[in-house]
Amino acid sequence: AQRVTQPEKLLSVFKGAPVELKCNYSYSGSPELFWYVQYSRQRLQLLLRHISRESIKGFTADLNKGETSFHLKKPFAQEEDSAMYYCAVGGTSYGKLTFGQGTILTVHP
Amino acid sequence: DAGVIQSPRHEVTEMGQEVTLRCKPISGHNSLFWYRQTMMRGLELLIYFNNNVPIDDSGMPEDRFSAKMPNASFSTLKIQPSEPRDSAVYFCASRGQGAGGLFFGSGTQLSVL
Repeated sequence: AQRVTQPEKLLSVFKGAPVELKCNYSYSGSPELFWYVQYSRQRLQLLLRHISRESIKGFTADLNKGETSFHLKKPFAQEEDSAMYYCAVGGTSYGKLTFGQGTILTVHP
Repeated sequence: DAGVIQSPRHEVTEMGQEVTLRCKPISGHNSLFWYRQTMMRGLELLIYFNNNVPIDDSGMPEDRFSAKMPNASFSTLKIQPSEPRDSAVYFCASRGQGAGGLFFGSGTQLSVL
């Protein structure tokens, strides 16, 4: 069964500080991994997907298959980064994704 | 494309009433998902469809919940009868072929009094 663990429910940092949101997964086979962001009272938006190895809004995430991790990082956090972040894993042909519990990131001025 | 469209945005009802949530997926997407979001449980997958056919409804909490997808452009999630513990945000999402991920609607905030 696929499973995603985000160990931190809440994460607080100051503006300009580095931030890392942790994500560990379990999946048999070759997983697809995603990070989604949800700003206050808005829909979930796709932030990153591991397959494209891109950087969005200064965020990056590296897939570590040995540690089964897909941590989200940003070197200098901004106040507008405050949001709920979800890590998700999938891989079936139907596109089903399993989400972690989410991490609420607060960036203080 | 306007994205995934959900209605209503907010629904307040009394315990025992029937509630119907609606979703229009992105045109051309062949998979549709219903999720429920709560503070306690995060995002839970309730049911998903592929090419209008229900694939897995094991996440539906009880028989009070049912979902249909009569055609490629419309799906409903029905709760009958509703209970206060059903209060949550219900999201619909769709996905096409390939590695694009899920696209979410704005959600329906359901409050059962």
